[in-house]
Amino acid sequence: GEDVEQSLFLSVREGDSSVINCTYTDSSSTYLYWYKQEPGAGLQLLTYIFSNMDMKQDQRLTVLLNKKDKHLSLRIADTQTGDSAIYFCAERPDSSASKIIFGSGTRLSIRP
Amino acid sequence: DAGVTQSPTHLIKTRGQQVTLRCSPKSGHDTVSWYQQALGQGPQFIFQYYEEEERQRGNFPDRFSGHQFPNYSSELNVNALLLGDSALYLCASSLAGQPRPTDTQYFGPGTRLTVL
Repeated sequence: GEDVEQSLFLSVREGDSSVINCTYTDSSSTYLYWYKQEPGAGLQLLTYIFSNMDMKQDQRLTVLLNKKDKHLSLRIADTQTGDSAIYFCAERPDSSASKIIFGSGTRLSIRP
Repeated sequence: DAGVTQSPTHLIKTRGQQVTLRCSPKSGHDTVSWYQQALGQGPQFIFQYYEEEERQRGNFPDRFSGHQFPNYSSELNVNALLLGDSALYLCASSLAGQPRPTDTQYFGPGTRLTVL
């Protein structure tokens, strides 16, 4: 089946690292994504990772993939107030040419 | 370079009515996907249009239909509206034929539909 799960809320102190976790079920998924959604805005693609990779780093963002456990995480270093948003984990099932399966989103809030 | 645009921004309808939402893809893109995002949920795939044809469809009833025009813009139509159709409707555009995952889907800001 196709399902993506993530925790609903995360609160971190400004300047600390944020780690958002996600599990997915479709073992055939080849591409996994992290999207960011701010109030009143559409979804912004933050980063993606191929399933044959373990890690991908892009500036303050680090994505870790454990394919055996179907676990994906997004680490945001030096979290800033501008990082407050909802973060969606998403998978693209290999059997699908088109659709992306999203999790329910993790709301990240930043404490001063 | 204009991104994905959607209209209207907000819409209020009553049960049983019909609604049409519009989407213009990012410049240079030829493929449009529609998603429904209920409050507190992630987006759910409705369908995708390419070359004016529905290429793939998610688990949505036939009340949801779409169209793509020769200029690649698209419409989403919902008939016989139900209270449960209240949601943010997102349009995403991409360029077909590109190797994955570079056929990235770029999302518009969405249309907020409220059904009373």
